[in-house]
Amino acid sequence: NAGVTQTPKFQVLKTGQSMTLQCAQDMNHNSMYWYRQDPGMGLRLIYYSASEGTTDKGEVPNGYNVSRLNKREFSLRLESAAPSQTSVYFCASSEESAWASTTDTQYFGPGTRLTVL
Amino acid sequence: ILNVEQSPQSLHVQEGDSTNFTCSFPSSNFYALHWYRWETAKSPEALFVMTLNGDEKKKGRISATLNTKEGYSYLYIKGSQPEDSATYLCAFSPSNDYKLSFGAGTTVTVRA
Repeated sequence: NAGVTQTPKFQVLKTGQSMTLQCAQDMNHNSMYWYRQDPGMGLRLIYYSASEGTTDKGEVPNGYNVSRLNKREFSLRLESAAPSQTSVYFCASSEESAWASTTDTQYFGPGTRLTVL
Repeated sequence: ILNVEQSPQSLHVQEGDSTNFTCSFPSSNFYALHWYRWETAKSPEALFVMTLNGDEKKKGRISATLNTKEGYSYLYIKGSQPEDSATYLCAFSPSNDYKLSFGAGTTVTVRA
């Protein structure tokens, strides 16, 4: 049982390049999340998906797009990377149903460390 | 954007000593408070979910208390061991449809 997996683990981009971060979970969870983690700050929510086919903006969505491809997979795309997007990106999932219970535990992937030069 | 604060930012503890640290959150509305443990080079892992004022949770040597009326939660580590070295995150939600807001964490280093 792999839990939540993320690829790649590390990535270096030049300003203006695009890339997609992949996330998959095998726990049959309804909800999935993308966070970024910067030094001295808490995890900040970029986008989330309460169920297959739905996505919503979080606290810091600018510069990102997401796709909930199916129940298992939730990808994060940077269309034109900027140095301000240098961060560690975490994907998470939880069992929450479409009406979203924030008492459910979130399970995190190993993270992607992204550097934008 | 909700203000969730954790203090101290970091602390060093001698092996065998006990310690505690705080998560503060807005007290006006409360729905859930989570504690996560995040070891270096690993993913954050859930410790507790707390939903009621006065809740106390325990897992081994780690315990947590919750005061929703004054807006804080304490995490306690009894008899710290080197394997307790980690960053401890709290996350707060004021309602069922408001996503979790995370604090910046308290980094605990246990010295042998």
